[in-house]
Amino acid sequence: DVKVTQSSRYLVKRTGEKVFLECVQDMDHENMFWYRQDPGLGLRLIYFSYDVKMKEKGDIPEGYSVSREKKERFSLILESASTNQTSMYLCASSQDIDIGPQHFGDGTRLSIL
Amino acid sequence: GDSVTQMEGPVTLSEEAFLTINCTYTATGYPSLFWYVQYPGEGLQLLLKATKADDKGSNKGFEATYRKETTSFHLEKGSVQVSDSAVYFCALKRRGSQGNLIFGKGTKLSVKP
Repeated sequence: DVKVTQSSRYLVKRTGEKVFLECVQDMDHENMFWYRQDPGLGLRLIYFSYDVKMKEKGDIPEGYSVSREKKERFSLILESASTNQTSMYLCASSQDIDIGPQHFGDGTRLSIL
Repeated sequence: GDSVTQMEGPVTLSEEAFLTINCTYTATGYPSLFWYVQYPGEGLQLLLKATKADDKGSNKGFEATYRKETTSFHLEKGSVQVSDSAVYFCALKRRGSQGNLIFGKGTKLSVKP
């Protein structure tokens, strides 16, 4: 079974802090994604990566950056956390960029105080 | 642009009732279509998928048929259980696009004993 592991289930940080969310997948998938999930808005794509060191902006990249130094790991970085970034963050991976569905981690619930 | 529209919830049913959650989409070309389920406190899990017109995806008693003529992918189950209580997301992926799934906003289902 594909496993996508997010480093934290719950995280509390302060405004202005630099925050790192880590995601690791164990199936050698080329493609990895970061979404945020908010009530009434569903899931929105922040960034995705289709190869090591490659990244593409999603629908809402402002205030975020990403890092993909190794194939199995995709990090989401909040450069200077703000309260409007309080949300559930979901990482996903997929093998086939064209057809394959994405496998999700359990999510990180991030609170910015 | 591409979009997915789901029926708004919450949907409350009694155990053994018939379930339909409507999903319609707008997309160029022939997208792949997916249903995901999110149980309380967990990440998303792929429930079923269909990659071309008239395909029927099925899993765990749920099924959905890709209807190109009505641009729909409605989720159905003949007899729901309390354990089916979750949020259900319809999603599409445009063939040839890189990465992104377009999600509906989700429909919360509560099944009462």
